[in-house]
Amino acid sequence: GESVGLHLPTLSVQEGDNSIINCAYSNSASDYFIWYKQESGKGPQFIIDIRSNMDKRQGQRVTVLLNKTVKHLSLQIAATQPGDSAVYFCAENRGTSYGKLTFGQGTILTVHP
Amino acid sequence: GAGVSQSPRYKVAKRGQDVALRCDPISGHVSLFWYQQALGQGPEFLTYFQNEAQLDKSGLPSDRFFAERPEGSVSTLKIQRTQQEDSAVYLCASSRQTNTGELFFGEGSRLTVL
Repeated sequence: GESVGLHLPTLSVQEGDNSIINCAYSNSASDYFIWYKQESGKGPQFIIDIRSNMDKRQGQRVTVLLNKTVKHLSLQIAATQPGDSAVYFCAENRGTSYGKLTFGQGTILTVHP
Repeated sequence: GAGVSQSPRYKVAKRGQDVALRCDPISGHVSLFWYQQALGQGPEFLTYFQNEAQLDKSGLPSDRFFAERPEGSVSTLKIQRTQQEDSAVYLCASSRQTNTGELFFGEGSRLTVL
């Protein structure tokens, strides 16, 4: 079926490195994508979103890239810090409500000091 | 309040018991969502309210699940005759507007059914 998924379930980096988390989606009709971060024992926290009429969007230390041709989404984190350690989910909007999201499996990011 | 508040944080129920999970969204937030998150998985959509109206309940797994938001603020998710497969974290989220996927999630209610 149509779904949003992640290539890598785990990613381990050194503090100060740049991190790249990837996500593939299969629903070509999807037009809105969001990245969330979830720390242990907490609810997901919004990081950044991008609509399908854009290829790139930047936030504070984060960049999201969207490649509609290959249906691929990535989150780049610059100068990764130990506080960035968490599970990262990409999510796709479906339906009539923007908050009705289909989440991917998640990538565990571990940042070593 | 400062954020979305959920209670109880932890609930242990015997199979067959009814449970009620409460969500206090951020004041003024129009939209409210319930998600279910199984261990090691991403959250899955259950239902959506805009003010007091339940606009989408397509994600509710069975008719044992019921949600309400009678005054457009606090919401309750009720699960009747709980089963072991209902064990999960139930996340509530709210958003100020309807045209955004920026949801503010609570810390969740972890339900364990024995």
